[in-house]
Amino acid sequence: GDSVTQMEGPVTLSEEAFLTINCTYTATGYPSLFWYVQYPGEGLQLLLKATKADDKGSNKGFEATYRKETTSFHLEKGSVQVSDSAVYFCALSDPYGNNRLAFGKGNQVVVIP
Amino acid sequence: SAVISQKPSRDICQRGTSLTIQCQVDSQVTMMFWYRQQPGQSLTLIATANQGSEATYESGFVIDKFPISRPNLTFSTLTVSNMSPEDSSIYLCSGRMGGRGDTQYFGPGTRLTVL
Repeated sequence: GDSVTQMEGPVTLSEEAFLTINCTYTATGYPSLFWYVQYPGEGLQLLLKATKADDKGSNKGFEATYRKETTSFHLEKGSVQVSDSAVYFCALSDPYGNNRLAFGKGNQVVVIP
Repeated sequence: SAVISQKPSRDICQRGTSLTIQCQVDSQVTMMFWYRQQPGQSLTLIATANQGSEATYESGFVIDKFPISRPNLTFSTLTVSNMSPEDSSIYLCSGRMGGRGDTQYFGPGTRLTVL
């Protein structure tokens, strides 16, 4: 079935550093791709999305490009802030399964002042 | 967009009892889902809540353990039956208005602890 793989382990970095979180997917069809963020003690919020190949989603300084050739949707931010500390989940929408979401394991990001 | 609320926000329950979680959406959504997020883990889909009919369960989840109702387009309940400590998790409701590219909105979750 469709699946999402995120890089292992938490990410710790200093304020104003560059952030990359890798996400690759396996899908039989043409899924939509999403990044969700979960701030401490809160529910999931959509951060950005892309619905077709070469689309770039962006929000709050974060960007991710839908790369069909490498089946990837890596999340990037040029200069992180302490307030970006959260768990980030990559997800895909399965077009052959009621468009339900399949999530990656998530990455804890800790930004140190 | 859609705003989703859940009740209760958290509960502590005894082994062998059941808990019903309510999910309310402020606008009509075509699809509603229930997820489980075990401590430190990602989200696992339990089932798709279908309006007026039986929910569609994912592999590893059964109706007897997780009965779900969805009487209309804006409300759903999930019951966790005959609980054990392994059921301690966050349970999240979500809804989506449209098709494949549409955003899926999530409720704040219900944090369940089973003693």
